[in-house]
Amino acid sequence: DSGVTQTPKHLITATGQRVTLRCSPRSGDLSVYWYQQSLDQGLQFLIQYYNGEERAKGNILERFSAQQFPDLHSELNLSSLELGDSALYFCASSPRGSGGGETQYFGPGTRLLVL
Amino acid sequence: TQLLEQSPQFLSIQEGENLTVYCNSSSVFSSLQWYRQEPGEGPVLLVTVVTGGEVKKLKRLTFQFGDARKDSSLHITAAQPGDTGLYLCAARNSGYSTLTFGKGTMLLVSP
Repeated sequence: DSGVTQTPKHLITATGQRVTLRCSPRSGDLSVYWYQQSLDQGLQFLIQYYNGEERAKGNILERFSAQQFPDLHSELNLSSLELGDSALYFCASSPRGSGGGETQYFGPGTRLLVL
Repeated sequence: TQLLEQSPQFLSIQEGENLTVYCNSSSVFSSLQWYRQEPGEGPVLLVTVVTGGEVKKLKRLTFQFGDARKDSSLHITAAQPGDTGLYLCAARNSGYSTLTFGKGTMLLVSP
């Protein structure tokens, strides 16, 4: 158990819909990362937040957005869903997110299926 | 964007065999990490290598970082069914906290 929690574990929805994925980081960690994992693209970095502020952006679509709240939990919002958005979505957390060899701790993921 | 190539993509072996998986790129990394991901779970960090030529051992797993810091290998001795999983390498550019992952090597160790 990494200490990172994600809800829901599974999500099935239809094209065009909007969903929200939730992540609670490890106690004391200030940085949260979101990743998407699919068979063809592998594990891809989407976005990072540090203490409520966006710190880095990766391959995140404009239809996707995220935020980190004062209690440090984070939400990833996916809208206008397409079939190709079906994937595993992981959240990870780290103490500072300041680079170097800092370890990221991954949650168990949310499996999203868009029908 | 740096690209990490992992090979082989899939490896199926018998218990007790040795194996090596590779992670290669044309870019130089400030550090490289290896993760193992089991079905239904998130990746778990195995090791971080930072110095060119560095070798780290974790029980039956040996990790090596290339001298030029562009490639890495993971060698498993006497593989066991518990080693089954997706092995991912991830690299970090100097000054950045974000990771770029390879697509992974799926290892299946049969009893």
